[in-house]
Amino acid sequence: KAGVTQTPRYLIKTRGQQVTLSCSPISGHRSVSWYQQTPGQGLQFLFEYFSETQRNKGNFPGRFSGRQFSNSRSEMNVSTLELGDSALYLCASSLEGTDYYGYTFGSGTRLTVV
Amino acid sequence: DQQVKQNSPSLSVQEGRISILNCDYTNSMFDYFLWYKKYPAEGPTFLISISSIKDKNEDGRFTVFLNKSAKHLSLHIVPSQPGDSAVYFCAAADQTGANNLFFGTGTRLTVIP
Repeated sequence: KAGVTQTPRYLIKTRGQQVTLSCSPISGHRSVSWYQQTPGQGLQFLFEYFSETQRNKGNFPGRFSGRQFSNSRSEMNVSTLELGDSALYLCASSLEGTDYYGYTFGSGTRLTVV
Repeated sequence: DQQVKQNSPSLSVQEGRISILNCDYTNSMFDYFLWYKKYPAEGPTFLISISSIKDKNEDGRFTVFLNKSAKHLSLHIVPSQPGDSAVYFCAAADQTGANNLFFGTGTRLTVIP
């Protein structure tokens, strides 16, 4: 079966711009979680969506937002980009969100802010 | 505030020997723990997990040990193979059902042929 697809793979943006990243989950998976990976910080939880509703949010500023569509595809948006937002953004899909052993991660979007 | 810590950024082991990766956590509400493996340019993949009601779980060459009193878990790989070279993340989930995992910073394992 197809895996989790994240687009684009790489992105370079300028400070102050905004960016939208996309995540297409495995067919049938209703939960999509987003994580930010930076050197020295590991993966930090951004938010989780289930059936188009945000169920949980991590400790990130309001510049980070997301949404989920009826087909479970999810997007995350970062507005007013800062240099510190440079990171690998990973999404993970699962059936219910609490089936952690069933998380399937995408390959990520590498965002560079210059 | 890093609730899951992997204090060794890197580890090198000879092929055929045992690899031991360590992880410590601070939140006593964590009740489910997982190890993920990550190759460059790929997302993390699930390796093995353990519930807090157990102290050991085995899957082939991989064994995870949990010491709840010490808030410590470890992943043993025996025997280590060159294909095991990757970054390993430990992760934890809490009892609140908050639907998010807390990850460590990762340990880069290099298995030398």
